[in-house]
Amino acid sequence: GAVVSQHPSWVICKSGTSVKIECRSLDFQATTMFWYRQFPKQSLMLMATSNEGSKATYEQGVEKDKFLINHASLTLSTLTVTSAHPEDSSFYICSARKGTSGGAGLPDTQYFGPGTRLTVL
Amino acid sequence: GNSVTQMEGPVTLSEEAFLTINCTYTATGYPSLFWYVQYPGEGLQLLLKATKADDKGSNKGFEATYRKETTSFHLEKGSVQVSDSAVYFCALSPTGGGNKLTFGTGTQLKVEL
Repeated sequence: GAVVSQHPSWVICKSGTSVKIECRSLDFQATTMFWYRQFPKQSLMLMATSNEGSKATYEQGVEKDKFLINHASLTLSTLTVTSAHPEDSSFYICSARKGTSGGAGLPDTQYFGPGTRLTVL
Repeated sequence: GNSVTQMEGPVTLSEEAFLTINCTYTATGYPSLFWYVQYPGEGLQLLLKATKADDKGSNKGFEATYRKETTSFHLEKGSVQVSDSAVYFCALSPTGGGNKLTFGTGTQLKVEL
């Protein structure tokens, strides 16, 4: 199998605090992980691509100092929302790519976590 | 840029009814097309895919045909079951775009007895 977990599944925090979300590949190694954000009734939007041992690549319009991504091991990537504000409230989803990094292969080897609901008061 | 448009839900059907969820896309070249399904409390799972025009992807009784002329990839199933209740996402990966996916907004399907 290929299972990806996220923790926590939901979190409520006060404005101005930081929140860390973990994404783990439980039964495979993932050199590449992806972070998505989903607003109600909208598409999943790719925020950044995270490669183990290197800096994340952020999509246009995503503040890298706001959304800190760390991919310190082959099974764990973290997303930290710094100084969270109500507009950061959203559903955050990660995915992990099974197999080696690089190449132009199809994304059908991406496995998704169940998501984390963040609410900032 | 690339985009995917799919019908708004929720779609409510009786068991054994025929299902169609429409999906159209905008992209240059020849993207690969996907349908993902998300069951309650779980992550998105790849349901089926098609990588070139006229390809038909199929899995678990679901089918979708890559129509280049109409830029569509509609999802169909002849007889739905209660267990098919989930959210369905259409997505594309651009030509040579590797792992980058562009998703539609998702369509919730509810199947009732």
